[in-house]
Order: sequence, then structure tokens, then C-alpha cells
Amino acid sequence: AQSVAQPEDQVNVAEGNPLTVKCTYSVSGNPYLFWYVQYPNRGLQFLLKYITGDNLVKGSYGFEAEFNKSQTSFHLKKPSALVSDSALYFCALGPSSASKIIFGSGTRLSIRP
Amino acid sequence: EAGVAQSPRYKIIEKRQSVAFWCNPISGHATLYWYQQILGQGPKLLIQFQNNGVVDDSQLPKDRFSAERLKGVDSTLKIQPAKLEDSAVYLCASSFRPGQGADTEAFFGQGTRLTVV
Repeated sequence: AQSVAQPEDQVNVAEGNPLTVKCTYSVSGNPYLFWYVQYPNRGLQFLLKYITGDNLVKGSYGFEAEFNKSQTSFHLKKPSALVSDSALYFCALGPSSASKIIFGSGTRLSIRP
Repeated sequence: EAGVAQSPRYKIIEKRQSVAFWCNPISGHATLYWYQQILGQGPKLLIQFQNNGVVDDSQLPKDRFSAERLKGVDSTLKIQPAKLEDSAVYLCASSFRPGQGADTEAFFGQGTRLTVV
């Protein structure tokens, strides 16, 4: 069975510091992996995806994510956090053998000034 | 490019009443999803359509929830009768070619916040 996990409910980072939001997955076959961000009272916004190719994927708003097949992880990163990055972040998995997209439980990112 | 449109944005109903949500996907997107997002949790897939056919409805509570996608474009999700635990945000999403590499990501509407009292 496929699954995606976000082990941290909340991540707190000071503005200007690097940030990492963790995601691990389990799937048979090749994974398609996604990161979405959700601001209050808004729908989910697509940030980036890994389909194939380079393990480091660059996305919107300066975010990037690193795909690690041996560790079955797809951590979201940003070199220098902004207060405006504070939001709820979701990792999602869509196996290449199917079209369903499932979501992790979310990580609340809080950036303090 | 217009995004996924949903209406209404907010709805308050009493338990045992019925409610319907509407979704218009991005033009050209064959796949349409309805997700339920309970406060503090990640979105849970309720039903997935490919054109006007159902691909996955394994987590749809079929005794009270129903969905249709006539003509393979707009979709409606209905709850009848509603329960208190149905209070959630209902998100509609669409994608162009899921499970096929490029253009596989889903794009979401702003959601409908349902409160059942």
C-alpha cells in the first residue's frame, strides 16, 4: 500500500535561516512526489514536483526539494526563510502506476522575525 | 488561465439537512478530484473522476455522499443527510494527465467550508 508521512507537526525557524520540512513515502514502483502550501482560508497551491531526472527539484518562491530513493524521502528546503513562508505544507504522493494523489498530514511552518 | 472554481465558499446547515457543492475544473483537465479536509488534517480523497467516469470512490461514504460529473466537465458533490462529523473543507482539484509524468500535478480550488450544527 502506498503512504506518505510528515513526521513533524510543526517546524519553527528564525527568519534568514535555512529551513527543512521532512517527508517520507512508501510505494511500489516509481513515485511521483509533490509539495503543496496552504495559506489560511485558501486552497492548496502547488510548489514543486519530482517525476524523474535530477534529484534536486526547484520550485516556486525559492523552495527546492531533494528526492532520496534510498531513504525514501522528499524533504522540502529553502536556504533563507521569510516570515511570509509561514503556512501549512503538505507532501503528496502519486505513484506512476496509478493516478490517485494522496497527502500527508501536513507540517505547520512558523518563521519568526 | 482560469483556475478551479468552487461554490459556495461557505455553508452552514443543520444536521440531517442536505447540501451540494459545485466545481468547475481547469479547461482541458480530464481528471477531477473531490477531497475532504478536516481541520488539522491532510486532504482525504473522496472521489476521482476521469472524464465522466469514476476512477476511485473507495473512501466516499456512499450511504450519504454522492457525486457526479455530467458531460465530463463540471461536478457536484452532495451530502444527504449531513452529520456533525461532515464539518470540513471540501476541496475540488483537477489535473491534466495524472500518473503520466509531466502535467501530472493537481490544481486546487479555494474550497467550500461546511459547518454542520
